[in-house]
Amino acid sequence: DMKVTQMPRYLIKRMGENVLLECGQDMSHETMYWYRQDPGLGLQLIYISYDVDSNSEGDIPKGYRVSRKKREHFSLILDSAKTNQTSVYFCASSAGLSNERLFFGHGTKLSVL
Amino acid sequence: GEQVEQLPSILRVQERSSASINCTYENSASNYFPWYKQEPGENPKLIIDIRSNMERKQIQGLIVLLDKKAKRFSLHITDTQPADSAMYFCAASEDYAQGLTFGLGTRVSVFP
Repeated sequence: DMKVTQMPRYLIKRMGENVLLECGQDMSHETMYWYRQDPGLGLQLIYISYDVDSNSEGDIPKGYRVSRKKREHFSLILDSAKTNQTSVYFCASSAGLSNERLFFGHGTKLSVL
Repeated sequence: GEQVEQLPSILRVQERSSASINCTYENSASNYFPWYKQEPGENPKLIIDIRSNMERKQIQGLIVLLDKKAKRFSLHITDTQPADSAMYFCAASEDYAQGLTFGLGTRVSVFP
């Protein structure tokens, strides 16, 4: 069905709490991404994953870690969330090792209070 | 890394006129330039892209131009319609295996 699914869509956490954002795709894509989107800052790459347990830092990895144990799932973890991590987080996937035609999920709006 | 500048940040155009968005990049090794459209509350979707071996590409009412010497590329939306109202992001990449570097976006509003 060519879909990237993100859960949850909305999340409110308190500063210091741990946060788990989940992403799944049904296209058997090798490459998956986590971006965050902030007003005035566009989309910034947090992490990229080329396959199971093959992850690489993006432009803003500090404060985040990722996990990819199955090709179709890619998780973003915030250990001890900070207020400046309030953002909309987008997961995306693409076929092979190519960054052509990224398929984005609908995003998770995270508020850290 | 790469840096992408996108202008204007806001663009209001009358229905049936053209809209143009310009992006510049820093890394002369960049060779892939996609454009994504994001409607309110929705996810970004690829609408057109161009590789560095081309200077012009058109898909229906969308035209992308690439000037490698000036490190500049642009999106032109011809005969705009209300459905073209959205955020548009340009992006650049020097390596197919890297993530895309996005511009800050242009909010396009098409008015009657």
